[in-house]
Amino acid sequence: DAGVIQSPRHEVTEMGQEVTLRCKPISGHDYLFWYRQTMMRGLELLIYFNNNVPIDDSGMPEDRFSAKMPNASFSTLKIQPSEPRDSAVYFCASMGQGIGELFFGEGSRLTVL
Amino acid sequence: AQRVTQPEKLLSVFKGAPVELKCNYSYSGSPELFWYVQYSRQRLQLLLRHISRESIKGFTADLNKGETSFHLKKPFAQEEDSAMYYCALSGNFNKFYFGSGTKLNVKP
Repeated sequence: DAGVIQSPRHEVTEMGQEVTLRCKPISGHDYLFWYRQTMMRGLELLIYFNNNVPIDDSGMPEDRFSAKMPNASFSTLKIQPSEPRDSAVYFCASMGQGIGELFFGEGSRLTVL
Repeated sequence: AQRVTQPEKLLSVFKGAPVELKCNYSYSGSPELFWYVQYSRQRLQLLLRHISRESIKGFTADLNKGETSFHLKKPFAQEEDSAMYYCALSGNFNKFYFGSGTKLNVKP
């Protein structure tokens, strides 16, 4: 298994543009998490899914952020419109039932100019 | 409310010196505690968890419920230990809270 796969690895965009980040979890994992990493705040949980259903989105900063998981092998995190303060590394992680270990992707580094 | 605090953003030690990365937490129930590590150009990965009571790469961490701490320790630091370390907490294995991270720099 190639592990959790995220795309794009790097994204540079201008303020106001729509940004879509993608994640493919490890096959068979029931949980999927989206985290945002910044120097000031470290890793912040944005949202997580269980069996494709959003369970807790209390970490999503604003209505500009949305996340979907249409099936067990794909999830997206969308920012519309993007702002410079959204610049960060966004991580996706997946976890199997009862394992208690998160498996992270390599992250998507977003820069909003 | 649940919170994980790592007071040091950067910790520099010399090779062979002992190292301790601090982690304090607040949680109303009985949490599970973890340490994750991110080496340069690698993915964030699990280093150890308190329920396993294991030593990984010479690192250990003891859960002190009285002090609500889960400090990571190693008696003799190696250069390859240089990395970003995150302490994490989970209340029920399906929601994980991370601290802000400590960058460990082991100097030769």
